[in-house]
Amino acid sequence: KAGVTQTPRYLIKTRGQQVTLSCSPISGHRSVSWYQQTPGQGLQFLFEYFSETQRNKGNFPGRFSGRQFSNSRSEMNVSTLELGDSALYLCASSLQLTTEAFFGQGTRLTVV
Amino acid sequence: DQQVKQNSPSLSVQEGRISILNCDYTNSMFDYFLWYKKYPAEGPTFLISISSIKDKNEDGRFTVFLNKSAKHLSLHIVPSQPGDSAVYFCAATASGGNEKLTFGTGTRLTIIP
Repeated sequence: KAGVTQTPRYLIKTRGQQVTLSCSPISGHRSVSWYQQTPGQGLQFLFEYFSETQRNKGNFPGRFSGRQFSNSRSEMNVSTLELGDSALYLCASSLQLTTEAFFGQGTRLTVV
Repeated sequence: DQQVKQNSPSLSVQEGRISILNCDYTNSMFDYFLWYKKYPAEGPTFLISISSIKDKNEDGRFTVFLNKSAKHLSLHIVPSQPGDSAVYFCAATASGGNEKLTFGTGTRLTIIP
């Protein structure tokens, strides 16, 4: 079956703009999590959705938001982009909360 | 507050030898631990996991050891192969509740042919 699909793969935005990233989980998976990966910081948890409800939220400013649709697809939005938002954004899906997560290839966001 | 720590950012090992990657955690509520492997330009892939009711789990060349009293786990790869060169992340969660996966900062493993 198809894996986790993230679009777009690469994105270049200007400071101050906003961006929306998309994630389609594995069919049947209801939990979707988002992570930010920057050099030396590992995978920083952004938020997790389960059945359209945000169940967990990481320590990121309110500029970072997300949502999950009834088909479990998820979007992540970052407003008023800053240079420090440049990172690889990873989405992971799992059957339930806290079970083994399967990751997409990520979206590489560059803010200039 | 880094609840899961991988103190070695990088490790180089000769092909055929044993690779040992270490991970420490501080949250005593964590009871399920996972290792992920990540190649450049790809998302992390699940490698092996261990529940706190065990102290060892083996899958082929990969073995994870858990020392609950020391809040320490390690991943052993024997024998190491060039394809094992990647970044390895350990992750932990409290499986009984509503807890997210918490990841360490990763260790870059390089296997020298």
